[in-house]
Amino acid sequence: NAGVTQTPKFQVLKTGQSMTLQCAQDMNHNSMYWYRQDPGMGLRLIYYSASEGTTDKGEVPNGYNVSRLNKREFSLRLESAAPSQTSVYFCASSPSGRAWETQYFGPGTRLLVL
Amino acid sequence: DQQVKQNSPSLSVQEGRISILNCDYTNSMFDYFLWYKKYPAEGPTFLISISSIKDKNEDGRFTVFLNKSAKHLSLHIVPSQPGDSAVYFCAAGYNAGNNRKLIWGLGTSLAVNP
Repeated sequence: NAGVTQTPKFQVLKTGQSMTLQCAQDMNHNSMYWYRQDPGMGLRLIYYSASEGTTDKGEVPNGYNVSRLNKREFSLRLESAAPSQTSVYFCASSPSGRAWETQYFGPGTRLLVL
Repeated sequence: DQQVKQNSPSLSVQEGRISILNCDYTNSMFDYFLWYKKYPAEGPTFLISISSIKDKNEDGRFTVFLNKSAKHLSLHIVPSQPGDSAVYFCAAGYNAGNNRKLIWGLGTSLAVNP
């Protein structure tokens, strides 16, 4: 049972480059999330998708776009990377998106923007 | 303005003793509280939760206490084991129609010494 998988595990970008972080879950969950974690900061929600076909902004959406490709996959795109986007990115999923539900996290993608 | 505060960045305890991790919140709308544990280079994993209608929830060695009047919750680990060494995140949430909010604290790094 793979749970939540993320690719790549690590990426180095130059300022202005673009990239897409991939996330997939095999638990048939309706809701999926993208977080970032910076040193000394808690997890901050970038975007979430309550169900297939819907996406909504979280706390820190600027500089990012998302696509809920299907029920399994939720991708995060950086169109023009900036050093401030250096962070660890976590994807998560939950059955139906209620605040009390357990969220299941992937292992994270470490992104360094030079 | 941090709505969920974990004021101790780190905590060190001896194996077999009790670990107490604290969390304070400011938003009275929060009605559900969760604790997650995170090991290095892994995503957070759910540990235990409590709803606002309870003041205690227990799961094996882990107990969460909620004091709504003080807007304070704590996680007790008894007895502490070296494998408990990790970063512990407190998260608080509420649902308001389609508006889901889950706010995370900055985390407390627990070291359990053999």
